Amino acid sequence: GAVVSQHPSWVICKSGTSVKIECRSLDFQATTMFWYRQFPKQSLMLMATSNEGSKATYEQGVEKDKFLINHASLTLSTLTVTSAHPEDSSFYICSARPGQGMVSPLHFGNGTRLTVT
Amino acid sequence: AQTVTQSQPEMSVQEAETVTLSCTYDTSENNYYLFWYKQPPSRQMILVIRQEAYKQQNATENRFSVNFQKAAKSFSLKISDSQLGDTAMYFCAFSRNDMRFGAGTRLTVKP
Repeated sequence: GAVVSQHPSWVICKSGTSVKIECRSLDFQATTMFWYRQFPKQSLMLMATSNEGSKATYEQGVEKDKFLINHASLTLSTLTVTSAHPEDSSFYICSARPGQGMVSPLHFGNGTRLTVT
Repeated sequence: AQTVTQSQPEMSVQEAETVTLSCTYDTSENNYYLFWYKQPPSRQMILVIRQEAYKQQNATENRFSVNFQKAAKSFSLKISDSQLGDTAMYFCAFSRNDMRFGAGTRLTVKP
């Protein structure tokens, strides 16, 4: 149980275009989802907290106009990288936890490898 | 803000031996959770073990156990009888409303 599906698993796009990444909780409802970014051989850095039905909460230094997050339902959050640049190339991972509160561990999607050419 | 520190960028261990990965954290909160996640080359994040801060007893999951020292804000992971499949990045994580990760330790199990 507690499966998080992320799509696509990899994407290549040209500079200036936008890319949408989907994160779905398949067998549970998630009022909150989290988006992380991971550079090669580095840790997962929290980008934003996605809240169902309300605005996302962004971490300091993350451009909210560049990384648009929409959490329109209890099972789907999307991250759109707008006007992508090569420096946006990275591994993006979403996560969610079933139930309320911090007792449940986060379950992670398989990640999306974004390459901007 | 909470910070998580893993001071060992890389470690190696012989198969069947025991290895301990270190983690310290900083928080002013009293109620929180701590986790260890494993990330193999596939980059899938896999939960290894978790610890509730209000529990004094150290968590154990088969070959994996933790040494949780709340006063010292220390949360180390011990892997016993290491197996080749344990080779991966290991991340220590602190959780309240969200989850923050340490820099990770790359563990290599040698045959």
